[in-house]
Amino acid sequence: DAGVIQSPRHEVTEMGQEVTLRCKPISGHDYLFWYRQTMMRGLELLIYFNNNVPIDDSGMPEDRFSAKMPNASFSTLKIQPSEPRDSAVYFCASSPSGGGLARYTQYFGPGTRLTVL
Amino acid sequence: DAKTTQPPSMDCAEGRAANLPCNHSTISGNEYVYWYRQIHSQGPQYIIHGLKNNETNEMASLIITEDRKSSTLILPHATLRDTAVYYCIVRENRDDKIIFGKGTRLHILP
Repeated sequence: DAGVIQSPRHEVTEMGQEVTLRCKPISGHDYLFWYRQTMMRGLELLIYFNNNVPIDDSGMPEDRFSAKMPNASFSTLKIQPSEPRDSAVYFCASSPSGGGLARYTQYFGPGTRLTVL
Repeated sequence: DAKTTQPPSMDCAEGRAANLPCNHSTISGNEYVYWYRQIHSQGPQYIIHGLKNNETNEMASLIITEDRKSSTLILPHATLRDTAVYYCIVRENRDDKIIFGKGTRLHILP
């Protein structure tokens, strides 16, 4: 299994530009999570989906952020317009449903390092 | 999730056992203790979890006190590759979310 795939791995953009981060979860996983990590705030949960439906978006910082999951194998996190304070590493994670250990384990992707100038 | 308290950093000599403590004095009866770690420039990685019995897997051992108010993650023979931030998390298994704290930055010294 290839694991959770994120693209791009690095993104540098200018303030005001639109940024789209992409995630492919592990095949068969029903849950998908988006996190943001900064030195100041640590690892924060932004939003998560179950069966492609957003369940909790209370961590999304403001309306400039939006996330979609059009199908079970793809999700996007969009920032429009981007600001320098959005600079962070954004992680995507997935987990399966059902019983057993795996249900309660999240598998993280390598992250996207976003720099907004 | 119940709040956890971990030391911000620890050192351990390579080849020795690394013992990482975690306090979770407000843990409730149906909450589990989970450990994840994050190696530099990578996403967090699941290590182990337990409810009240001690647990062991290929990566580590988890010792939970009888009153469940604290636990210790043990890496039996630490290597340089174990240098990472280790997160202790308490959550109910019905919870979908994981709330990460600040964790313990473990330095393995050659």
